[in-house]
Amino acid sequence: KAGVTQTPRYLIKTRGQQVTLSCSPISGHRSVSWYQQTPGQGLQFLFEYFSETQRNKGNFPGRFSGRQFSNSRSEMNVSTLELGDSALYLCASSLWGAGEQYFGPGTRLTVT
Amino acid sequence: SQQGEEDPQALSIQEGENATMNCSYKTSINNLQWYRQNSGRGLVHLILIRSNEREKHSGRLRVTLDTSKKSSSLLITASRAADTASYFCATDRQGAQKLVFGQGTRLTINP
Repeated sequence: KAGVTQTPRYLIKTRGQQVTLSCSPISGHRSVSWYQQTPGQGLQFLFEYFSETQRNKGNFPGRFSGRQFSNSRSEMNVSTLELGDSALYLCASSLWGAGEQYFGPGTRLTVT
Repeated sequence: SQQGEEDPQALSIQEGENATMNCSYKTSINNLQWYRQNSGRGLVHLILIRSNEREKHSGRLRVTLDTSKKSSSLLITASRAADTASYFCATDRQGAQKLVFGQGTRLTINP
């Protein structure tokens, strides 16, 4: 079956702008988690959605938000971008939140 | 803060040798997982070991879990150049329902 897809793969934005990233999970997976990966902080958990409900949220400011649709596809949004938001954003789907995660290829966001 | 801490941060060995990476964590867990990441790409799940298991094998991979010491190790036998990647442990803390990743071990296999 098809893997997790993320769009776009690369993105360049300017400080102050906002961005929306998209993730399509593996068919049948109802849990979608988002992670931010940077060289300095490593892999940090952003949030997890299960059946359109946010079940868990990491320690990120309110500028980071997300949602999940009835078909389990998920989007995350970052408003008022800062230079420090430059990172690889990874989406992962699973049957249940803390089980085996299937990761997408990531979206590389560069904020200038 | 990260739940898991991998050791060493970087490891360089010759092809054919065995590679061992360690992971320590702080709180009680439901399961511990290991993932591999090739440079700048998504992570690939390698193995999941539950808190009531002590050892698990998958091909050339062997994972052990010692809940009394709150530590796990990943052994890759007969390493290959294609094993060059970063390896992360991730823990599912009891009650948290989310995975927390360590900082990773960067493994380099020299031909």
